[in-house]
Amino acid sequence: NAGVTQTPKFQVLKTGQSMTLQCAQDMNHNSMYWYRQDPGMGLRLIYYSASEGTTDKGEVPNGYNVSRLNKREFSLRLESAAPSQTSVYFCASSEQQGSGQPQHFGDGTRLSIL
Amino acid sequence: DQQVKQNSPSLSVQEGRISILNCDYTNSMFDYFLWYKKYPAEGPTFLISISSIKDKNEDGRFTVFLNKSAKHLSLHIVPSQPGDSAVYFCAASDPGTYKYIFGTGTRLKVLA
Repeated sequence: NAGVTQTPKFQVLKTGQSMTLQCAQDMNHNSMYWYRQDPGMGLRLIYYSASEGTTDKGEVPNGYNVSRLNKREFSLRLESAAPSQTSVYFCASSEQQGSGQPQHFGDGTRLSIL
Repeated sequence: DQQVKQNSPSLSVQEGRISILNCDYTNSMFDYFLWYKKYPAEGPTFLISISSIKDKNEDGRFTVFLNKSAKHLSLHIVPSQPGDSAVYFCAASDPGTYKYIFGTGTRLKVLA
């Protein structure tokens, strides 16, 4: 019973490099999310996908792109990494968006940009 | 401007006593509130939620109280156990955008 799986768990990049964070859920959830967590800032929404085939910007989308590849998978891409993007990234999923539906989180990707 | 605030970054409680974690919000339109627990190197896990039409919800040792007039909610853990030591986040659901807005978290340490 994997839930939400994120890869990789750790990554170090140089400024200007690109990379894609992968996320997959096995709970048949419709909605998926990407958050970043920074010290003293809580969890901030980067992008979300209310259902397969749709994506929307969250609170801090600049510098990121997403792809909802299918119902299971939602990837986050950094096209040109910047030190300000050093953070812990969490993917989450829920049955539906809002309405008190709890989100299920992966264990995070710790990303450092040098 | 933070719409959901957890003003206490940390809290220490003796094992067996009550832990009370607080959360304040500014948007009276929020329709659900959720609490998550997070251990180091793991993702947050859902703990308990409450609808804005209720003032209390209980699940075992965990009870959430909502005071809409004060725009305040609290999570009570009774009795506290060392395994409860974690960071606790409150989150509010915005029915206009369907997004969740998270507080900054409170680190709870339960002392044996």
